[in-house]
Amino acid sequence: EVQLVESGGGLVQPGGSLRLSCAASGFTFRTYAMTWVRQAPGKGLEWVSSMSGSGGSTFYADSVKGRFTISRDNSKNTLYLQMNSLRGEDTAVYYCAKDRVEGGWYYFDYWGRGTLVTVSS
Amino acid sequence: DIQMTQSPSSLSASVGDRVTITCRASQGISNYLAWYQQKPGKVPKLLIYAASTLQSGVPSRFTGSGSGTDFTLTISSLQPEDVAAYYCQKYNSVPWTFGQGTKVEIK
Repeated sequence: EVQLVESGGGLVQPGGSLRLSCAASGFTFRTYAMTWVRQAPGKGLEWVSSMSGSGGSTFYADSVKGRFTISRDNSKNTLYLQMNSLRGEDTAVYYCAKDRVEGGWYYFDYWGRGTLVTVSS
Repeated sequence: DIQMTQSPSSLSASVGDRVTITCRASQGISNYLAWYQQKPGKVPKLLIYAASTLQSGVPSRFTGSGSGTDFTLTISSLQPEDVAAYYCQKYNSVPWTFGQGTKVEIK
């Protein structure tokens, strides 16, 4: 059974940093692209960042480019999102999502339950 | 960047009604479109990919159609458990943009 479990969220002051993790199990992690999607309170879904299975390709939304860094450790089946220079508008539930098929198609068949990031002083 | 616009933003329909949600891309995206359902307080669920292919386990009352710039998600007979927000998402190229969502309620 595929499982994605996010952690690392919390309350942080504007300008601060957080590192999110997503522990994956139930599939061959290294062969699937992985993605972070966020959802601000009461709002819709926003794609944040994606990484190919090998880690050789990374993609970022303009809203986070230069501030967030996606990475993965295929030996630990874990996806990360390092978030720096956080702003109030980064407040959201952050979901980790798995590509439906191998090879990097960037639509998602499994989602974690999410971790809440709140940026506030 | 290609924008994805859904309409309506919300709708209310009776049980058994046929419901149609539209997603329009500002440029052609072939059939690189997925639809998701997010029930209140729950995680998004993939319903349809490649514009019209039903994800395994999804009820057949859900259908997707379209290509290029105009796409539709149809619920042939609305059920109480279909109360949710529905999102389209393009995946032909970066950024993998979502539509703003359509909330479906029961009248």
